[in-house]
Amino acid sequence: EAQVTQNPRYLITVTGKKLTVTCSQNMNHEYMSWYRQDPGLGLRQIYYSMNVEVTDKGDVPEGYKVSRKEKRNFPLILESPSPNQTSLYFCASSLRRGQGGRNTIYFGEGSWLTVV
Amino acid sequence: QQQVKQSPQSLIVQKGGISIINCAYENTAFDYFPWYQQFPGKGPALLIAIRPDVSEKKEGRFTISFNKSAKQFSLHIMDSQPGDSATYFCAAKGNFGNEKLTFGTGTRLTIIP
Repeated sequence: EAQVTQNPRYLITVTGKKLTVTCSQNMNHEYMSWYRQDPGLGLRQIYYSMNVEVTDKGDVPEGYKVSRKEKRNFPLILESPSPNQTSLYFCASSLRRGQGGRNTIYFGEGSWLTVV
Repeated sequence: QQQVKQSPQSLIVQKGGISIINCAYENTAFDYFPWYQQFPGKGPALLIAIRPDVSEKKEGRFTISFNKSAKQFSLHIMDSQPGDSATYFCAAKGNFGNEKLTFGTGTRLTIIP
């Protein structure tokens, strides 16, 4: 079954305590990205990766880091979380444009993060 | 900067009625317009999508209408059912080399019996 798997699904942490949200996909997709979802703002892209070792900033990258050492994994790192990073986070993946298929972007089930 | 504007924010429709959600975009370089459906506790899932070379696309009870000159597109759900109650997001994507979706702010749809 095609899946994008995120962990943890729910996390409450304290300001300044480093955390990592993992993301893994089993579809051999080149493209992966992270979005955050906030009420009234829709989903906004944080970072994206077009392939292994290729990452770039999205619209709201401040306070986040990513890495892409393997094709299937794309972890999101909060080095020093702050309360304004309390949000619902989604990992997504797809084939790159021109690589066939519907170019559908698949989303994980989300990670609720609360920073107190 | 909101490049995709979505309305209404919430919508209540009676079972069997037509649900209509509207979106407008600014960037004429967008060339792919999907709609995503999101149930509570789940990630967004692709519902239907359209490219600007056609004015309408229909899949079952779901139809996208696209007006390129007005830079607007809308989702119509015919014969709305309680199981359609969800949050709907319009989105847009261009050939910018990053596969990024620019989302609208979402519409919470409730279908009442």
